[in-house]
Amino acid sequence: NAGVTQTPKFRVLKTGQSMTLLCAQDMNHEYMYWYRQDPGMGLRLIHYSVGEGTTAKGEVPDGYNVSRLKKQNFLLGLESAAPSQTSVYFCASSYRDRAYNEQFFGPGTRLTVL
Amino acid sequence: KNEVEQSPQNLTAQEGEFITINCSYSVGISALHWLQQHPGGGIVSLFMLSSGKKKHGRLIATINIQEKHSSLHITASHPRDSAVYICAVSGSNYQLIWGAGTKLIIKP
Repeated sequence: NAGVTQTPKFRVLKTGQSMTLLCAQDMNHEYMYWYRQDPGMGLRLIHYSVGEGTTAKGEVPDGYNVSRLKKQNFLLGLESAAPSQTSVYFCASSYRDRAYNEQFFGPGTRLTVL
Repeated sequence: KNEVEQSPQNLTAQEGEFITINCSYSVGISALHWLQQHPGGGIVSLFMLSSGKKKHGRLIATINIQEKHSSLHITASHPRDSAVYICAVSGSNYQLIWGAGTKLIIKP
C-alpha cells in the first residue's frame, strides 16, 4: 500500500500561473482534505471532501478549487497563483470524519510563487 | 488566549530521558489527537483519544476530560524521536483546532 501520495513534491510558479496538485490514496477512505502549512502556523484546512463527487470549503478556501471525481483522488487547483500561496501543501485522508478518525497524510508539496 | 495551548514550545533533552509534552484546551471536545511531524516534513498521527490512556511502544498519551488536559510521554527517548509534536482537538463537525506544536530535540 502506498498510503497517501502527492504530486508534485516541489513546484515553482510565477504570479498568475495555474497548476493542479494531485492527491491519491489507496485505502478506500471516504474523507479527504487539503491543508496548507506556513511557518509558525498550524495546519489550515483549505477544502475537504466527504465522498466521491462532493467538496466543501474549509478555513482558507479563497484562491483554490478542488475536485473529487474519483474516490481515490482529490485535486487542488490554483487558477491564478499569488505569492501569498507560497506554502507547503498537505493532503490527508481518513476513513470517516477526521474528528473521530486517524488521518493519514501525504508527504507534502512545497510550492513557491514568485 | 488560544483554545489549544501546548507546553513547552521547545524542549531539548538527553537520550534516555523521560519526556512529557502537555496540551491544555478550553473548548468542549469529542476527541484529542497527537501527531508527529518529522524534520523532513512528514506528518504521522500518533494517537486519538477521548478518555483515559493509550500506549504504543515507548509513547503514552493520557487525557483528563474534567481538567481539559492531555499529556504525551516518551520513555527512553532517542534521537529519532526528535520532531515537532502537535496536539489537536476535535470540536464540532469536521473542525479540528490545532496547537502550535512542541519542538523536541533529543541529543545523543
